[in-house]
Amino acid sequence: VELVQSEAEVRKPGESLKISCKYSGYIFPIYWIGWVRQMPGKGLEWMGIIFPRDSDTKYSPSFQGHVSISADNAISTAFLEWNSLKASDTAVYFCVRHKANWKSSFDVWGRGTLVTVSS
Amino acid sequence: QSVLTQPPSVSAAPGQKVTISCSGTTSNIGNNFVSWYHLLPGAAPKLLIYDDYERPSGIPDRFSGSKSGTSATLGITGLQTGDEGDYYCATWDDSLSVGVFGGGTKLAVL
Repeated sequence: VELVQSEAEVRKPGESLKISCKYSGYIFPIYWIGWVRQMPGKGLEWMGIIFPRDSDTKYSPSFQGHVSISADNAISTAFLEWNSLKASDTAVYFCVRHKANWKSSFDVWGRGTLVTVSS
Repeated sequence: QSVLTQPPSVSAAPGQKVTISCSGTTSNIGNNFVSWYHLLPGAAPKLLIYDDYERPSGIPDRFSGSKSGTSATLGITGLQTGDEGDYYCATWDDSLSVGVFGGGTKLAVL
């Protein structure tokens, strides 16, 4: 079981970005997939989750309205998207699989995607 | 500031034992399962403990988890240099309706 994330990205403030997380080795739609942020030198922050089977999505209030989480079952991939990046979005973003329900632990992690936002 | 409180750092000699605490409230640790994770630079983080004290397959019994009230503890015995890195506790917070993490604890095996 593996979550393969897209490569590092560099963008300017105000630009858009969509990063991806592709699963392999399990039935994608029946597990909640989440996104976790780690800003430089800081700890982990839970951003939100999606249930690919029906696209039910939950966001942290800290990220609601600034990012969008989606999934495409046909290609077994989850996405994290920004319409207008800020310098403060510079961070490593991990995708995670929830072991059971949406309150449960994260049993599979991607290696992370480094997003750098700089003018 | 993190919702869950962990010590910033701990250290011990190879072969020794260390514990890492994680303190919360009744809306998070007190009412939900706790999990623990190990982060190393450049590698995918690893789940060490789930549901307070359960170990995933492949995690040695040197790692243990416990919980009492609104606090949880990760224990590591027989420390090895490969155990160095950052450790995070996590759970769900019913009041905030979000997943929450501790601030992380850096383990040094001296």
